Amino acid sequence: SQTIHQWPATLVQPVGSPLSLECTVEGTSNPNLYWYRQAAGRGLQLLFYSVGIGQISSEVPQNLSASRPQDRQFILSSKKLLLSDSGFYLCAWGKGRGLADGYTFGSGTRLTVV
Amino acid sequence: EDQVTQSPEALRLQEGESSSLNCSYTVSGLRGLFWYRQDPGKGPEFLFTLYSAGEEKEKERLKATLTKKESFLHITAPKPEDSATYLCAVDTGRRALTFGSGTRLQVQP
Repeated sequence: SQTIHQWPATLVQPVGSPLSLECTVEGTSNPNLYWYRQAAGRGLQLLFYSVGIGQISSEVPQNLSASRPQDRQFILSSKKLLLSDSGFYLCAWGKGRGLADGYTFGSGTRLTVV
Repeated sequence: EDQVTQSPEALRLQEGESSSLNCSYTVSGLRGLFWYRQDPGKGPEFLFTLYSAGEEKEKERLKATLTKKESFLHITAPKPEDSATYLCAVDTGRRALTFGSGTRLQVQP
């Protein structure tokens, strides 16, 4: 069965510090991978998606970046965090677009920038 | 631009009090509409996919329906364990799912 791992679960970082969030998928190959951010009481905002190794599409201009060094690994990074980067970050995978079962989400990372 | 609007933002029900959540959408070419349940501090969990107007899906106390402009999530005789945020999302085949802002449901015993 397919599983998705996301870590860390909680992170408190000072303004200006770097960030690295990691997501890995098991039990499938060549998944589409996604990073979403959820502000408190809000919906999910798409940040990045990837259809293959090294292929990254950015949806929102900001100081975040994403990389996909391996087929089932997706990393979200920042060189210098801003207060506005605080939020709940979710990684997800899907097999193509519009899969019958939608996306499978990780358990999320709660990031607080102080 | 694809838009998804959910209402109400929050809903408080008594146990056993049935109600409906609304998801209205404005998209070009709907390929699928998804409903998710999200518990506090966790990732969304898939509930249903609907593809065409008139389609219905059921799971326990939940039933999702779809028209050309909106979807409803009907909750029949809810229990406290149904308390969660319910999210809907649309797929137009262009990039990734576009989500609404969700409805926070609280069911009181």
